[in-house]
Amino acid sequence: DSGVTQTPKHLITATGQRVTLRCSPRSGDLSVYWYQQSLDQGLQFLIQYYNGEERAKGNILERFSAQQFPDLHSELNLSSLELGDSALYFCASSVASGQAIEQYFGPGTRLTVT
Amino acid sequence: GDSVTQMEGPVTLSEEACLTINCTYTATGYPSLFWYVQYPGEGLQLLLKATKADDKGSNKGFEATYRKETTSFHLEKGSVQVSDSAVYFCALSEDKAAGNKLTFGGGTRVLVKP
Repeated sequence: DSGVTQTPKHLITATGQRVTLRCSPRSGDLSVYWYQQSLDQGLQFLIQYYNGEERAKGNILERFSAQQFPDLHSELNLSSLELGDSALYFCASSVASGQAIEQYFGPGTRLTVT
Repeated sequence: GDSVTQMEGPVTLSEEACLTINCTYTATGYPSLFWYVQYPGEGLQLLLKATKADDKGSNKGFEATYRKETTSFHLEKGSVQVSDSAVYFCALSEDKAAGNKLTFGGGTRVLVKP
């Protein structure tokens, strides 16, 4: 158990809908990252927050947005869902922001868009 | 941009065989290097890391050496067990103004048979 929690574990929804994925980082961790794992794209970085502020953006679609709240939990919002958005979404956290800092991953949320 | 290339699987081995998974990287600076493991139905777990040239990371019988001259970070284990069956991901992280995301290779599935 990494200490990172993600809810829900599974999500099935229809095209055009909007969903919210939630992540609670390890106690004391200030940085949160979101990654998408799909069969065709592999593991891709979406976005990073550090202590409530956006730190870095990767291959995140405009239909997707995220935020980190004062209690440091984070939410990833996915809207106007398409079939291609079906994937496993991972949240990771780290104590700080730095290249040598280890990132700890949650169990993921499996999103299925039908 | 940064990239990681690792050997495609699946790799099928018998128990007690030696395992090597090749990983090479391209980066603009001096990244930190990681191996993560993903067991079926679970999130990613950090297996080992190395933060500078010639560093050797090791954990659970696995080891990898940061080779700057060949830009490689090959994962090795001398005697695998059935419980080592998983997908292994090589990754790098660079500390940039744009955060310290992990860039992953495509993953290598390893199957160890009794």
